[in-house]
Amino acid sequence: AAGVIQSPRHLIKEKRETATLKCYPIPRHDTVYWYQQGPGQDPQFLISFYEKMQSDKGSIPDRFSAQQFSDYHSELNMSSLELGDSALYFCASRPGQYNSPLHFGNGTRLTVT
Amino acid sequence: GESVGLHLPTLSVQEGDNSIINCAYSNSASDYFIWYKQESGKGPQFIIDIRSNMDKRQGQRVTVLLNKTVKHLSLQIAATQPGDSAVYFCAENVDNFNKFYFGSGTKLNVKP
Repeated sequence: AAGVIQSPRHLIKEKRETATLKCYPIPRHDTVYWYQQGPGQDPQFLISFYEKMQSDKGSIPDRFSAQQFSDYHSELNMSSLELGDSALYFCASRPGQYNSPLHFGNGTRLTVT
Repeated sequence: GESVGLHLPTLSVQEGDNSIINCAYSNSASDYFIWYKQESGKGPQFIIDIRSNMDKRQGQRVTVLLNKTVKHLSLQIAATQPGDSAVYFCAENVDNFNKFYFGSGTKLNVKP
């Protein structure tokens, strides 16, 4: 079965650089979520999209932005990177219906040096 | 965000024993709960879910119990196997659609 695809798997950037993370949801899933997970921590909700519109916002820094495109893939853009942005970034998708679970990709590991 | 937390950060069990992982949530309006398993370097993997109109749901070797009175959720794994070693998270759905909040994970160590 098709899963959520994230790219790249690993990314190394320097402070103050920018990064773009991509997410390709499961086919026919119209809702995408982004989570950030630090070492030994639980996933923290950043932002979500439904039908290409932002549907909810969590603890996403103003330096980050995201969007969902017409083909439902999503990109998380991160600017002015800081050391504290080093983390695993997960994308998850689900069909736009109540009480359905999130399906996660295997994440992008971002290291800021 | 909402508070979803776990009582024990690490749980060690013997292979073949049953495991119980607990989770407390704070929002009485939450109506959908999910358990995820996360192995090192991978994304959270769906295990089982339960809606608030139920108090028990069973899957293959796993059972989720929901006690809405005390806002408590548990995951029971029968005949725990080495492949069950991972971090387990509970997630809570508020607003019935958009927000999923995760609790602090419990690391399950299965000893052979």
